[in-house]
Amino acid sequence: AQSVSQHNHHVILSEAASLELGCNYSYGGTVNLFWYVQYPGQHLQLLLKYFSGDPLVKGIKGFEAEFIKSKFSFNLRKPSVQWSDTAEYFCAVNLKAAGNKLTFGGGTRVLVKP
Amino acid sequence: NAGVMQNPRHLVRRRGQEARLRCSPMKGHSHVYWYRQLPEEGLKFMVYLQKENIIDESGMPKERFSAEFPKEGPSILRIQQVVRGDSAAYFCASSPRGPGQGNEKLFFGSGTQLSVL
Repeated sequence: AQSVSQHNHHVILSEAASLELGCNYSYGGTVNLFWYVQYPGQHLQLLLKYFSGDPLVKGIKGFEAEFIKSKFSFNLRKPSVQWSDTAEYFCAVNLKAAGNKLTFGGGTRVLVKP
Repeated sequence: NAGVMQNPRHLVRRRGQEARLRCSPMKGHSHVYWYRQLPEEGLKFMVYLQKENIIDESGMPKERFSAEFPKEGPSILRIQQVVRGDSAAYFCASSPRGPGQGNEKLFFGSGTQLSVL
């Protein structure tokens, strides 16, 4: 079955530390890839997306993600986190051939200590 | 404990018809969110509801779209007189608590793909 896996359920780190969140998927076809963020008390927002082209994608707020097709991965990174990055992060994937139905990973809660 | 259930998985309508999308939140969850994903775009927030109340509908189109979450039964997203531009995937998410109440983790349904002919 098609699935999206986020390796860490909870991540705790200090300000200025680097962040990397893992995301792997099990689709066999051509995919679109997304990272979403939900800040406390807010709705889901799109951080970045990959449809085609350069596999290194830059998003809002200093986030980036790299699509590695051979590893079926789309890991999210930020070189230096801030307290305001405390949030839950969701990876999502959809098959281009299947329209725009998304499958979400289980989410990773990130807590940045000031 | 079943997850968030959305039905139907696929819905085909002709222009001018009505579309009704259903979302049954996880057991014990009283907060429901609807999101829409248009082709080649990310998710966009539509509406946030608690039982019998619309809390935030800032993402809902002003006309033809409505949502409800009755005391009993699923949440319904209703689109009247559908047009081709309504074709999209509609996702529901539920949470046991609302914003600011702590631990408002979202659990997503698998979505309903609406196709308007």
